[in-house]
Amino acid sequence: DVQILESGGGLVQPGGSLRLSCVVSKINFNTSVMSWVRQSPGKGLEWVSTISASGYSTFYADSLKGRFTISRDSSKSTVNLQMSSLRAEDTAIFYCATLNNNAFHLWGQGTMVTVSS
Amino acid sequence: QSALTQPASVSGSPGQSITISCTGTTNNVGSYNLVSWYQQYPGQAPKLLIYEVTKRPSGVSNRFSGSKSGNTASLTISGLQAEDEANYYCCSYSGTKYFYVFGLGTKVTVL
Repeated sequence: DVQILESGGGLVQPGGSLRLSCVVSKINFNTSVMSWVRQSPGKGLEWVSTISASGYSTFYADSLKGRFTISRDSSKSTVNLQMSSLRAEDTAIFYCATLNNNAFHLWGQGTMVTVSS
Repeated sequence: QSALTQPASVSGSPGQSITISCTGTTNNVGSYNLVSWYQQYPGQAPKLLIYEVTKRPSGVSNRFSGSKSGNTASLTISGLQAEDEANYYCCSYSGTKYFYVFGLGTKVTVL
C-alpha cells in the first residue's frame, strides 16, 4: 500500500520556526503533485500549500502571508514545509496529501504542531 | 475566502438515504466541476470519497454519490450503515488566487 508519513511536528513558541517533512513510498513520487492540508483542533480542514511534480511551481493559502515555504527532494521522495513566525492560530494537525484531478487522494496520518508559550 | 457552507449535522436511520449539501459561490462551486468530498473518523486522516463532483475513486462504495446544481454540491449516502457515522467535508477548487476551499464539515449520525 501507498505510504505517506509526516514528521517534524511538536511544541514551538510563538514566533518560532518548524520544519515538517513527508516521506512518500510505493507511488511514483516524481509525477505526484503534493500538498499540505491542516486541521485546527476540533475544526475543519484548510488547504495550506501545493508543490508541482517538478518542484518548479508552488502555491500557498493567501492567509499564510509568506510565512511558509514548501519544497521537495526527489532523491528522498520527501516534501517539506518550512514554517516561520508561527502563531497560536497555526496550531493544527498538518496532513500531507497527493493532489490529483484537483482532489486530495491519498493522505498521511498527520503531524501535530502546537504553538504555545 | 469564506469556507463552503455545510449543515453542521445530518442524521438518518439505517437503510435510509441522506444528502449533505455544500454551498459555495460563483467563485468556486458554481464555476468549476472540481468538487470533492472526504470522510473523516475521529482521530483519523480524511479519506477521499468523491472527486470532480461525481467520480468515485477505486474502492469507494457506490452507496456514495455526488452531484451539483449551480453553487451547491451534494453528497448522497444511500443505504445508510452504522459505519457511515463520521464527519464529511466538501472541497472546491476556487481559482488561482484561493485555490482550494473546504466546507466546515457535517457530522453524520446513524440513529
